[in-house]
Amino acid sequence: SQQGEEDPQALSIQEGENATMNCSYKTSINNLQWYRQNSGRGLVHLILIRSNEREKHSGRLRVTLDTSKKSSSLLITASRAADTASYFCARINNNAGNMLTFGGGTRLMVKP
Amino acid sequence: DAGVIQSPRHEVTEMGQEVTLRCKPISGHNSLFWYRQTMMRGLELLIYFNNNVPIDDSGMPEDRFSAKMPNASFSTLKIQPSEPRDSAVYFCASSLLAGVLTGELFFGEGSRLTVL
Repeated sequence: SQQGEEDPQALSIQEGENATMNCSYKTSINNLQWYRQNSGRGLVHLILIRSNEREKHSGRLRVTLDTSKKSSSLLITASRAADTASYFCARINNNAGNMLTFGGGTRLMVKP
Repeated sequence: DAGVIQSPRHEVTEMGQEVTLRCKPISGHNSLFWYRQTMMRGLELLIYFNNNVPIDDSGMPEDRFSAKMPNASFSTLKIQPSEPRDSAVYFCASSLLAGVLTGELFFGEGSRLTVL
């Protein structure tokens, strides 16, 4: 099952543009994480934001968290062709043994 | 550190055959996770171990699936007998902590299973 839902499912932009992906969830969280997956590869952790944080930066990545709306967003600024990948949000599912569960992902394509 | 190591990377087998997937977690990590990824269902958590002990296997689809972790540096996921619907990419991941304290997961490159 997918406890975090990403939106949009697919996104296509030109190099240099910003890409914004959103994630919604249903129950309370301790933290929310974003991962990246290149085609045919394993997932790679990008950033973790705790429930008491509202915004976090890492290089060209900016993550926001709104616990009142149960949503998070991942912004990639000045995108590059190498950013082409699928991006997933993940959170602890308190209703499923406190396991980390992933959403369906956003497939990002950055055109050179 | 070499990261999480999975083998085989690719496996093609016939329905009814036994499949064994292997995983070596990052040294020092206490938790190990097995996920399955398909287009239809996305990433599903099958089972996770904490200090070599299975904590929750509610994601294991049926009795044909079993997982073991005989020591801190090795885990297996076995499917017996395999069926075409088991075709997927199986990921192993490890982390320092699990449960409500779960932080960053480190994933292997996956084992792509095709059951004919």
